[in-house]
This record gives sequence, C-alpha cells and structure tokens, in this order.
Amino acid sequence: QKEVEQDPGPLSVPEGAIVSLNCTYSNSAFQYFMWYRQYSRKGPELLMYTYSSGNKEDGRFTAQVDKSSKYISLFIRDSQPSDSATYLCAMSAETSGSRLTFGEGTQLTVNP
Amino acid sequence: DVKVTQSSRYLVKRTGEKVFLECVQDMDHENMFWYRQDPGLGLRLIYFSYDVKMKEKGDIPEGYSVSREKKERFSLILESASTNQTSMYLCASSLWANYYEQYFGPGTRLTVT
Repeated sequence: QKEVEQDPGPLSVPEGAIVSLNCTYSNSAFQYFMWYRQYSRKGPELLMYTYSSGNKEDGRFTAQVDKSSKYISLFIRDSQPSDSATYLCAMSAETSGSRLTFGEGTQLTVNP
Repeated sequence: DVKVTQSSRYLVKRTGEKVFLECVQDMDHENMFWYRQDPGLGLRLIYFSYDVKMKEKGDIPEGYSVSREKKERFSLILESASTNQTSMYLCASSLWANYYEQYFGPGTRLTVT
C-alpha cells in the first residue's frame, strides 16, 4: 500500500466551478503538507504548504488538513482554464530529513 | 528568478550505454534531488544530496549513482542503461531550512532502446 494515495483523475470541470482535490495518507508522522502544480512539459512548482492541521487560504486556493482522518484537500474557487494542470500532493515528517513523499497527481482540465 | 536547469530535454540511448544527466541550480541551495516520474507511480526519489560530496539513497537507487562535486551541480549516472529506466527524470533543489519548497527543473525525457 502506498503511503500517499491520490486519485489520478482525469478531472474535467467547466470554467467557474469549484474544484476539490484530495489525498489520503497512512503515515501519522507527516507534519508538512504541500500541494504542487505541474503544467504540461514543465517541472512541478510549489503552490501551497501547511504545517500540521488546519486551513490555509491564498487567493482562489484553500488547503485543508485533517490529521485525525489523515486526509488533505485543495479547493480551487472560480476555476480558470489556466488552472488546467496536474496537481500533486506531497508530505513530509520532521524525522525524514529533506525527503518528500508525493502522491501520484490528479490531472485537472478546466473547460472554457 | 530562481532557476534549475537540466542538460537535455530529450535523450535517446541504447541498452548498456552509460548515461549522464546533469542538473545545475543558481540559488545557492544546499539540497539537491533526483526523481523519476512515471504514469501510475508518480514522483519517486532516486537520490538526494544535502551538501557537496554528500549523498543519500532515495526509494529507488538501484541502477543509479550520483555525483556532487560542486554545490550548484548534481549529476545522475546510469552505469548501464536498461529499458526499464525509460522515464521522465526531474531534478530539484531546496534550502536546507525550507526543504518543503523544492524548485524543479523542466525534466529530461530519457528513452532507452
């Protein structure tokens, strides 16, 4: 069983929709939770990170962490065609040094 | 603007060849990483380095080696390429303190025939 599970999609939504992307994990030592965005033929780039539980908002993006359920989410409000990309969740424990464990990634298409 | 560059975007090699993939970062980052990305498997860590001449194995180091002689440069070596090493290879770097924020290069698509 993978430490981090993420539905690979693909997910297709109309412009303006609210998008929910999710990951579950099994390692209770994970403390840092990240979302990376990867456009086609590019490397991933960090979108948001959260330490421990709670919510974090940045413009149209909201990251949520529920450690009791081992579940993290990324919400995108008023989705735009420019949001079309693969979204990867990543996690890290304080004891794992600089290593991140990535989910498989969810491919999102926002249709105009 | 921060930058991680990789020596090639596309590479085609034959089985048994020795392959060098080079990565350079201009951000004075301590950490550097090599990943491979495959459909259905996501990003998997091959090796990483937290200082010059230092290296640690990742999750899938078999068949690979690395070299870091200078802080800005991290090389991935396939000693004898095999077809199951056909993949997208991504290099990344980060500060020691902010290791969760990794900066990635554009990737090298390696095909081994």
